[in-house]
Amino acid sequence: EAGVAQSPRYKIIEKRQSVAFWCNPISGHATLYWYQQILGQGPKLLIQFQNNGVVDDSQLPKDRFSAERLKGVDSTLKIQPAKLEDSAVYLCASSPGDRGNPGAYEQYFGPGTRLTVT
Amino acid sequence: SQKIEQNSEALNIQEGKTATLTCNYTNYSPAYLQWYRQDPGRGPVFLLLIRENEKEKRKERLKVTFDTTLKQSLFHITASQPADSATYLCALITGNQFYFGTGTSLTVIP
Repeated sequence: EAGVAQSPRYKIIEKRQSVAFWCNPISGHATLYWYQQILGQGPKLLIQFQNNGVVDDSQLPKDRFSAERLKGVDSTLKIQPAKLEDSAVYLCASSPGDRGNPGAYEQYFGPGTRLTVT
Repeated sequence: SQKIEQNSEALNIQEGKTATLTCNYTNYSPAYLQWYRQDPGRGPVFLLLIRENEKEKRKERLKVTFDTTLKQSLFHITASQPADSATYLCALITGNQFYFGTGTSLTVIP
C-alpha cells in the first residue's frame, strides 16, 4: 500500500512570505495529523482531522497557521506570514481512526517538508 | 508543567547487547503510550503501543514496559544490531492529544 505523501520536500522562503504544504494520507485512513518538528525536538501536534472535521487544533497558532482537509482526503497546511521560528520539518501522519480500537492510534508518517525561513 | 523526558544523552552500545531506553513523564495520565523509530530525514515509524492497564508488551526483539505509578516506560531492544541505530521517540496519548518526547539517539557499534 502507498504511504503518506507530502510535498514539497524542501522549501526556503523569506520571513513574512507565505507557504503551503500538501499531504495525501493512506487511502481509507480517517484521521490526519499535522506536526511541527523543530531540530532536536520531538514532533508537536498542530492539528488533527477526523474525516474533514477538526478534532483538535489547540496547539495551532491560528494567527498565522491554517489547515484544511477538503472531502476528507488530502490536506493543506498554510503559514502566512512566516516567521524565523517557523523553520522546522512539517510532518503529516494518518491513522485508521476507529477510536474503539487501539490500532487507530498507529500513526503512519510522511517524509516531511523541511521549511527554512530566512 | 507537563513534561516528557527521554535519555538526555545519546546511547552507544555494542552489537548483541540489550539497549534500554527510558521515557519519564510528569503531569500526564496517558491512556496509551507508543514508541516510534525515526531515521535522519524521515518521518517516525510506529513500533509498539501499550495501554495504561498493560505492564509489558513484546514484538520480536522489542519489549516495552509501562509503569503508571512511576510514570515511566522502558523500551528494550535485545540482541541489538547496527541497523537498530536511530532515534527512538516515546509518545503519550491522552484524550485526542499526542505528546512526543525529544527522543534518544541510539548507536549500535559493530
